Amino acid sequence: DAKTTQPTSMDCAEGRAANLPCNHSTISGNEYVYWYRQIHSQGPQYIIHGLKNNETNEMASLIITEDRKSSTLILPHATLRDTAVYYCIVRLPMDSSYKLIFGSGTRLLVRP
Amino acid sequence: ETGVTQTPRHLVMGMTNKKSLKCEQHLGHNAMYWYKQSAKKPLELMFVYNFKEQTENNSVPSRFSPECPNSSHLFLHLHTLQPEDSALYLCASSQNDRDPYEQYFGPGTRLTVT
Repeated sequence: DAKTTQPTSMDCAEGRAANLPCNHSTISGNEYVYWYRQIHSQGPQYIIHGLKNNETNEMASLIITEDRKSSTLILPHATLRDTAVYYCIVRLPMDSSYKLIFGSGTRLLVRP
Repeated sequence: ETGVTQTPRHLVMGMTNKKSLKCEQHLGHNAMYWYKQSAKKPLELMFVYNFKEQTENNSVPSRFSPECPNSSHLFLHLHTLQPEDSALYLCASSQNDRDPYEQYFGPGTRLTVT
């Protein structure tokens, strides 16, 4: 199963774009990239996922490099409520049980 | 509001007590999960249920006993816990006939074992 590497922490100014990187250099062809976040004292929240194409939804955009070895989650206009730990997860193969493996994530601090 | 509720939100129990955590999902999902989150540690998967059947037990001690009476409800029965079991216990659900990795989490139960 592919592992992910994320910076321990980042910060950005309110209203600016937050770009959170993730390296997954051992990802295999059928593995998706998922992003979740966890606001303090709450359960994790699904944000977005993708395979090879860039994806966008109401929360964020996901940019996956052509070789799929890294990706970036973009919060286009960060707010104070976006302060959270962001987890980049690479999906296990389909013959495994339905589980997400959470790493340490990136702690994003949005400054006023 | 994710459609997954957990009760109680906070629980303090002694090591000789027996208590239960409850999770309910209102999303029509068929898979449900228990996770443990200790201070400054990543989320750890404990149990997975799919259509009421347990499909995963991630080497969890027997003092934690899950129960899934139907696809909407999941319980975690606790007995003779240790102080190191103090943690945030999170329940999640997913629609298993679609992408099972889009999981919806409840707010968690903050458990303190004294």
